[in-house]
Amino acid sequence: AQKITQTQPGMFVQEKEAVTLDCTYDTSDPSYGLFWYKQPSSGEMIFLIYQGSYDQQNATEGRYSLNFQKARKSANLVISASQLGDSAMYFCAMRGLDAGGTSYGKLTFGQGTILTVHP
Amino acid sequence: NAGVTQTPKFRVLKTGQSMTLLCAQDMNHEYMYWYRQDPGMGLRLIHYSVGEGTTAKGEVPDGYNVSRLKKQNFLLGLESAAPSQTSVYFCASSYSTGAATSYEQYFGPGTRLTVT
Repeated sequence: AQKITQTQPGMFVQEKEAVTLDCTYDTSDPSYGLFWYKQPSSGEMIFLIYQGSYDQQNATEGRYSLNFQKARKSANLVISASQLGDSAMYFCAMRGLDAGGTSYGKLTFGQGTILTVHP
Repeated sequence: NAGVTQTPKFRVLKTGQSMTLLCAQDMNHEYMYWYRQDPGMGLRLIHYSVGEGTTAKGEVPDGYNVSRLKKQNFLLGLESAAPSQTSVYFCASSYSTGAATSYEQYFGPGTRLTVT
């Protein structure tokens, strides 16, 4: 079974500063992928960044980077230079392999972290 | 290119009523999913489909049925709605992944369902 834990129900950050949202995971799959999604107050789910378990380098996408520490089973999201529009719920999710080594793409989500950016 | 669309956007049901939520995608994705989102619990997988005519149970399938008669559509049915099914329902789709884990899921806008 896979499990994602986000221990920060809410986080606050000042505009233009960096913030780290924590995510730890548990899985016995030999290969897996980690995702971060953003959910603004309008409700849609927006894909931000992906990290594969065998990727040698941490993923980056613009102001988003993923601090992947495989031995510690953590995949923290770092947002640099926060903007007011970053205020939203953020979800960490994991995709692993089913029996037989196939990934049917199912995602396991964490509980989410609400980020509030102050001007 | 509309992506993933869901119908309806909002619905209020009385306990015991039935309804069907429709999900449609125009990206020719093989895989489709239904999730529910409850406060403090993230998204949980209800059912999923890896191709036309196939469906499988997810983490919380009880009280729901699904059908995938056409590749582009994935229907979620509630036969006898209960207040515990009050939630926001998201449909998603992705390319078939094989052993790869990298393909993102594309989400619909969600359906807010209230059962009284």
